[in-house]
Amino acid sequence: EIVLTQSPGTLSLSPGERATLSCRASQSVSSSFLAWYQQKPGQAPRLLIYGASSRATGIPDRFSGSGSGTDFTLTISRLEPEDFAVYYCQQYGSSPFTFGPGTTVDIK
Amino acid sequence: EVQLVESGGGLVKPGGSLRLSCAVSGFTSSNAWMSWVRQAPGKGLEWVGRIKSKTDGGTTEYAAPMQGRFTISRDDSKNTLYLQMNSLKTEDTAVYYCTALPNWGQGTLVTVSS
Repeated sequence: EIVLTQSPGTLSLSPGERATLSCRASQSVSSSFLAWYQQKPGQAPRLLIYGASSRATGIPDRFSGSGSGTDFTLTISRLEPEDFAVYYCQQYGSSPFTFGPGTTVDIK
Repeated sequence: EVQLVESGGGLVKPGGSLRLSCAVSGFTSSNAWMSWVRQAPGKGLEWVGRIKSKTDGGTTEYAAPMQGRFTISRDDSKNTLYLQMNSLKTEDTAVYYCTALPNWGQGTLVTVSS
């Protein structure tokens, strides 16, 4: 089973700042089958990024994903008020398709 | 508009069974690989399992804690995905989501308690 570790656990930033979230896998994620999700309280997760770097439909271009192998990054170039949420990475290259524990981005 | 609507959640005693349904509209679900994901109260996301489309074999895969207790199935004639859960434990208490990426349902709460 591939274990995903996300860091930091919590990121405290102000609107307009840049957010950099890390997701590290215990073994290589095949074909960069790595996704990022955003979840707000009381809501279902929303797919942001798939294939490590492809934005899902309707996702603003301030969200970008990068990385390969075992190290992946989600970058939010300039935080908007609606971006404060929990972010999860998930690998879907090798069953079971595990999630990371999440990074909370909160308002400083 | 694509919609996934889960139903069938509720309160069940440890050792009991429950079947969740996920009704799909707005796209042809028969072509989709579909999954169940759960989230315990105040916790992160946990992948439950997946079923491929029939054209891709219709096979299922499960996370280890669910293997042998949970069964995912689909009825493409009804555009519906199912999750049969047996031998439920208190640690199965969670909101259960169905997904057909990029779409997610809003989830249904399952509470396992005596």
